[in-house]
Amino acid sequence: DADVTQTPRNRITKTGKRIMLECSQTKGHDRMYWYRQDPGLGLRLIYYSFDVKDINKGEISDGYSVSRQAQAKFSLSLESAIPNQTALYFCATSDASKAYNEQFFGPGTRLTVL
Amino acid sequence: RKEVEQDPGPFNVPEGATVAFNCTYSNSASQSFFWYRQDCRKEPKLLMSVYSSGNEDGRFTAQLNRASQYISLLIRDSKLSDSATYLCVVNQAGGYQKVTFGIGTKLQVIP
Repeated sequence: DADVTQTPRNRITKTGKRIMLECSQTKGHDRMYWYRQDPGLGLRLIYYSFDVKDINKGEISDGYSVSRQAQAKFSLSLESAIPNQTALYFCATSDASKAYNEQFFGPGTRLTVL
Repeated sequence: RKEVEQDPGPFNVPEGATVAFNCTYSNSASQSFFWYRQDCRKEPKLLMSVYSSGNEDGRFTAQLNRASQYISLLIRDSKLSDSATYLCVVNQAGGYQKVTFGIGTKLQVIP
């Protein structure tokens, strides 16, 4: 079944460490997104990409970077993790040919920065 | 004013009850609307799109009121399995089609 997968599912790291979160999809969608979710704040967009090598900042991109080297993969990096980046991170995809831009989410990565 | 506002709840309702959630949005240029369901610590999943004429899927009915800038979700004959957080999602028009998520309304259906 077509799917959006994320690795790792859980990660505990220390302040200052570099960490990469991976997202892969078999839906054939061209658009991919990274969100973080915090209690009481809802989902907030970090970065999005409409195609390979296309990168756009979302509302909270500071402290993060992304890479889109292939249509099926979109990775999120925290260059130097800090405790307030502790959150639940979701990758999502959507199909540009669809009028309503429904998004499909991966299972999430729970990140804890100590 | 937030772009998308929802009452976070929780809404505690007995099994079999009818419950309705509203969501207001601030940008009159918003173009498309959705309800997503999110179970605890899981990913959001599309429940239904909201069309201008309103739409129904089984026990679920979604309505859009552009004049008052809100969408609603009605759940009839609530089941225990309906317990979840319901996210309101609003798309704006334009190249990026900016997507804004509400914080969600928590529903707890009790036996």
